[in-house]
Amino acid sequence: NAGVTQTPKFQVLKTGQSMTLQCAQDMNHEYMSWYRQDPGMGLRLIHYSVGAGITDQGEVPNGYNVSRSTTEDFPLRLLSAAPSQTSVYFCASSKGQELQETQYFGPGTRLLVL
Amino acid sequence: GDSVTQMEGPVTLSEEAFLTINCTYTATGYPSLFWYVQYPGEGLQLLLKATKADDKGSNKGFEATYRKETTSFHLEKGSVQVSDSAVYFCALKDNNDMRFGAGTRLTVKP
Repeated sequence: NAGVTQTPKFQVLKTGQSMTLQCAQDMNHEYMSWYRQDPGMGLRLIHYSVGAGITDQGEVPNGYNVSRSTTEDFPLRLLSAAPSQTSVYFCASSKGQELQETQYFGPGTRLLVL
Repeated sequence: GDSVTQMEGPVTLSEEAFLTINCTYTATGYPSLFWYVQYPGEGLQLLLKATKADDKGSNKGFEATYRKETTSFHLEKGSVQVSDSAVYFCALKDNNDMRFGAGTRLTVKP
C-alpha cells in the first residue's frame, strides 16, 4: 500500500493564480481531511470529508474548496492564491470518523505564494 | 471552542535523559487524545493515543495518561535516544473537529 500520497511536493504561485493540491489514499478510508501547518501554530483543519460526496468546513476554510467524487481522492483547490496561504499542507485519512480512529498523514505539499 | 496547549520548545536533552512534554486541553465534550511525531521532511505519525479518562497510551518507550481532572495528557519517556529528535504534537479529537498543539521540537544530543 502506498498509504496517503500528495502531489506536488513543492509549488510556487503568484498572487491570484489558482491551483489544485492532489491527495489520494489506497486504504479504502472513509474520512479524509486537509490541514495547513504554520510555524508556532501546529496544524489547523481546513476541510474534511466523511465519505464520497460529503464535505464540510474545518477551522480555517476560507480561500479553499474541496470535493470528494471518489473514496480515494480528495483534492484541495485554491481559487485565487494569496501570500497568507503560504504554508505546508497535509492531507490525512482514517478508516472512520469515530473519536478513536488514527489518522494517517501524507508527506505534505510546501506552497509558496509570492 | 476546543484547544490544545503544549509546552513551548525547543527542548534539548542529552541521550538517556528523562523527557516530559506538557500538554493540556480544553474541550466541551469527551475527546480522544493523541500524540503525533513529525520527523524532518515527513508527515505526522501517530505515536500514541488514549480514548477515555485514566487510559494510558504507550509506544516505543513513550507514555501519556489521560487525566480528566487536570485536563492533561503529558508525554514522558524515561531514557531518550538521538533517534527521538523530532517535533511532537499533542492533539484532541472531539466529534469531527481535530485540534493540534503548536508542536514541541526535541533535540537529543549524544
